[in-house]
Amino acid sequence: DTGVSQDPRHKITKRGQNVTFRCDPISEHNRLYWYRQTLGQGPEFLTYFQNEAQLEKSRLLSDRFSAERPKGSFSTLEIQRTEQGDSAMYLCASSSPGLAGGMTDTQYFGPGTRLTVL
Amino acid sequence: AQSVTQLDSHVSVSEGTPVLLRCNYSSSYSPSLFWYVQHPNKGLQLLLKYTSAATLVKGINGFEAEFKKSETSFHLTKPSAHMSDAAEYFCVVKTSYDKVIFGPGTSLSVIP
Repeated sequence: DTGVSQDPRHKITKRGQNVTFRCDPISEHNRLYWYRQTLGQGPEFLTYFQNEAQLEKSRLLSDRFSAERPKGSFSTLEIQRTEQGDSAMYLCASSSPGLAGGMTDTQYFGPGTRLTVL
Repeated sequence: AQSVTQLDSHVSVSEGTPVLLRCNYSSSYSPSLFWYVQHPNKGLQLLLKYTSAATLVKGINGFEAEFKKSETSFHLTKPSAHMSDAAEYFCVVKTSYDKVIFGPGTSLSVIP
């Protein structure tokens, strides 16, 4: 399977603990995105990488959140001191800009990591 | 500011009847528009996208959407609903390389 993969698929943690999620994009894609989706809502943009550079961060991404993509391949999203409000589905997507330069590139989504904070 | 409105949070149709899922957008720029589908416990899948090449866009599984600039709409249609179409549908606006805005979603139910 050459799609976007995410690990773990489910994570249950206690409030105050740190968690880390991993995303492996489609291998030839140089862009990688993180989103958060809460129940009954559409995904909300969190952050975006082009290769290893983090180019955009949403205001939703508080100081407790950090994302990395050290070698321009897989990415990790860490949440420190988790809160119950962090419970959500965390989605990763990847894309390749193609000839259009990025405006029309399609983002391919992984299955997501469902986080439950008790 | 850019935004996406999906006019119906839930749509219910009988199997074999047409589907209409409505989407309106607001954008200062010429947007790219997408429809994604999300089945329970599965990832988001692209149905179709509008990139200014043609106003009527055909996607997978018999879905199509028409871009109407004057109405700032991008409604999704299908002539005949199938049970497997039951899912959550998201209209998406992309106005720059990294600005992607999802609508709140429309839940489609298909009644046998």
